[in-house]
Amino acid sequence: AQSVSQHNHHVILSEAASLELGCNYSYGGTVNLFWYVQYPGQHLQLLLKYFSGDPLVKGIKGFEAEFIKSKFSFNLRKPSVQWSDTAEYFCAAGSSNTGKLIFGQGTTLQVKP
Amino acid sequence: DAMVIQNPRYQVTQFGKPVTLSCSQTLNHNVMYWYQQKSSQAPKLLFHYYDKDFNNEADTPDNFQSRRPNTSFCFLDIRSPGLGDAAMYLCATSRGGSGATLHFGNGTRLTVT
Repeated sequence: AQSVSQHNHHVILSEAASLELGCNYSYGGTVNLFWYVQYPGQHLQLLLKYFSGDPLVKGIKGFEAEFIKSKFSFNLRKPSVQWSDTAEYFCAAGSSNTGKLIFGQGTTLQVKP
Repeated sequence: DAMVIQNPRYQVTQFGKPVTLSCSQTLNHNVMYWYQQKSSQAPKLLFHYYDKDFNNEADTPDNFQSRRPNTSFCFLDIRSPGLGDAAMYLCATSRGGSGATLHFGNGTRLTVT
């Protein structure tokens, strides 16, 4: 069965700390991988995505993610978080054919100033 | 700005009373999706339209229907809402095809009394 699993449900960090959010997927066939972010009161927005090529993907606001095929993982990282990064983060996997996405249950990140 | 607009932002309905949620887009995307997101859970795809073609997920209850009268609008009809249907309903659009990014609306939070 297709699924996306996010390891951490709630993460609390101080500003300037480094961030890594885990994501593992189970998906048959060619998969596209995404991280979406939802800031308080706002809609889901794309943070970054991986389709093919360089497994290290850079997104907006200093975020990056690394696709490790052997581990079925697509972890999100940021070297130094800011208070404005407080949000909910969703990992998602999608078919390269249909564009349908399966989401993980999300990780709430709280950054303390 | 091109965007995905969901109305209303909050909807309260009574148990068993039909309710319709609406979504419109100015992106001219050919694919529109409806996701259901319950508290602390992953967004779950209910169905999507690829142009005029309706695609229902296998586990979407019959209680949920959708209409897409034109490219810009898509409606979610819940024929007889139960307490378990209380959730955030997210509309998204994409251009379709390989690796397309989903663009989300702000969602409609449905309460069933």
